[in-house]
Amino acid sequence: GESVGLHLPTLSVQEGDNSIINCAYSNSASDYFIWYKQESGKGPQFIIDIRSNMDKRQGQRVTVLLNKTVKHLSLQIAATQPGDSAVYFCAGLSGGYNKLIFGAGTRLAVHP
Amino acid sequence: EPEVTQTPSHQVTQMGQEVILRCVPISNHLYFYWYRQILGQKVEFLVSFYNNEISEKSEIFDDQFSVERPDGSNFTLKIRSTKLEDSAMYFCASSAASGDYNEQFFGPGTRLTVL
Repeated sequence: GESVGLHLPTLSVQEGDNSIINCAYSNSASDYFIWYKQESGKGPQFIIDIRSNMDKRQGQRVTVLLNKTVKHLSLQIAATQPGDSAVYFCAGLSGGYNKLIFGAGTRLAVHP
Repeated sequence: EPEVTQTPSHQVTQMGQEVILRCVPISNHLYFYWYRQILGQKVEFLVSFYNNEISEKSEIFDDQFSVERPDGSNFTLKIRSTKLEDSAMYFCASSAASGDYNEQFFGPGTRLTVL
């Protein structure tokens, strides 16, 4: 079945440290994955995506790593800032019409 | 920057009442979606819509739910007879096309509270 899930419900980091948020997916979930950021009172906001034929993709201060062997996805945020505090969701794209299967979410708390 | 808008931001209704949640997708987008998020839980897919018909729907999207694009700009979600368990944040999203690398842009959500 389709399943995208997260390892850790909360993550607390010091400002300036690097953050790593993890996600696991099942066999049939997707060949395309996206990380979303959700701030309080707002809808999910796209951060970065990766296709299954890649193992790494970098953006501005963010890197997504995909390990297909163990069906694991991670989001790395470099030099974490207070503005990065939010809930982060991984999602897998399913089907031909962009049905997104979301994981449970990890709350990132950045402390000064 | 274009954005998806939703109204109202918060809707309170009595169990059994009908509600209509409204969305204005980004103007040149062709694919439209509704998702919901029960408090503290993950975002769940409800339905996708393209070319004036439903493309896909989840098990949650039963006969009590319907969607409509009544004109060239609005996209609505109707719940005919609300239940307590329909209380959630409802997010509308739109994308320019289907398939890979067609980012779904989410609105700010409507918080539905069923009493």
